[in-house]
Amino acid sequence: NAGVMQNPRHLVRRRGQEARLRCSPMKGHSHVYWYRQLPEEGLKFMVYLQKENIIDESGMPKERFSAEFPKEGPSILRIQQVVRGDSAAYFCASSPLPGQGYEQYFGPGTRLTVT
Amino acid sequence: SQQGEEDPQALSIQEGENATMNCSYKTSINNLQWYRQNSGRGLVHLILIRSNEREKHSGRLRVTLDTSKKSSSLLITASRAADTASYFCATDISSRDDKIIFGKGTRLHILP
Repeated sequence: NAGVMQNPRHLVRRRGQEARLRCSPMKGHSHVYWYRQLPEEGLKFMVYLQKENIIDESGMPKERFSAEFPKEGPSILRIQQVVRGDSAAYFCASSPLPGQGYEQYFGPGTRLTVT
Repeated sequence: SQQGEEDPQALSIQEGENATMNCSYKTSINNLQWYRQNSGRGLVHLILIRSNEREKHSGRLRVTLDTSKKSSSLLITASRAADTASYFCATDISSRDDKIIFGKGTRLHILP
């Protein structure tokens, strides 16, 4: 059973370009979470999605950021018109069910560098 | 402010010694989890302790939880070079069961 997969592992974008980060959850997991980790900091929750639904996007910046988890295919975190402050590691996690006691399995992360 | 805060921020010990990291949090929790992150890698789930549990073991790991003090500790016994990593505590807060909140982590360095 393959783990959570994220691609690309490293992404370099110039200011103003778009960044698309992909996350394939573990087989059988229908819940996906995105986190951002700034250098020397802990992870910050961004968004929680189930298939075709955004459940909680309270951690997402209101502008330029969007996320989706379509019925088929990976979850996508999209950052439009990137700025230097978007440079960070973005981690995706999946779980079989939400709620108490279900650990989240993390992918290796995508490291975004904005030049 | 952070829900979970690890202490110390950084720790260096000799191989073979025990390493203890602490985590404090602010609000009531459903459970508390510890994760490890090796440099440049994703997070690895280590152990989950529920709010009604006081202590849990997994191999060389021992986690305690004191809900009255809103604190947890992670003990790694007989440390090895491979234990060098950052360790994060994460709290699953009572009011929302669909996300967990991470602290800033403790950077553990095992000296040969």
